[in-house]
Amino acid sequence: DSGVTQTPKHLITATGQRVTLRCSPRSGDLSVYWYQQSLDQGLQFLIQYYNGEERAKGNILERFSAQQFPDLHSELNLSSLELGDSALYFCASSVDGGSNTDTQYFGPGTRLTVL
Amino acid sequence: QKEVEQDPGPLSVPEGAIVSLNCTYSNSAFQYFMWYRQYSRKGPELLMYTYSSGNKEDGRFTAQVDKSSKYISLFIRDSQPSDSATYLCAMSGRHDYKLSFGAGTTVTVRA
Repeated sequence: DSGVTQTPKHLITATGQRVTLRCSPRSGDLSVYWYQQSLDQGLQFLIQYYNGEERAKGNILERFSAQQFPDLHSELNLSSLELGDSALYFCASSVDGGSNTDTQYFGPGTRLTVL
Repeated sequence: QKEVEQDPGPLSVPEGAIVSLNCTYSNSAFQYFMWYRQYSRKGPELLMYTYSSGNKEDGRFTAQVDKSSKYISLFIRDSQPSDSATYLCAMSGRHDYKLSFGAGTTVTVRA
């Protein structure tokens, strides 16, 4: 168990809908990362937050947004969902996020299915 | 062309064999290299981390980096059925902390 928790484990929804994925980092970790894992694209970095502020952005669609709250938990919001958004969404956390030696610990993921 | 290329396999070996995994990359800015292991229905977990060319050992695992060839490898000695998982290489730049992952290689170790 990495200490990172994600809810829900599974989510099934319809095209055009909006969902929110939640992540609680390990105790003491200030940085949260979101990744998308799909069969055709592999594991792709979406966005990083550090202590409530956005720090880095990857291949995140405009329909997706995220935030990190004062208690350091993070939410990833996905809107106007398309079939292609079906994937595993992972959250990871690290102590600082400002160093290449800072290990990222991954949560168990949320499996999103868009029908 | 993807920044990080990794043969997805699958790879099936008998127990006790040496497992050899590798990745190539095209971005010369990558300076830090990692191997993650992902069991089915779980999140990836960090196995090994290195930032210099050469070999790094940790128990049955050896990570190898050749920056001049833009090629990294992971060797698993005396493989066990519990090593059956998907192995992902990952890398990042000096001041770019996001990870770029390979596609992952699925390994099965047969008892």
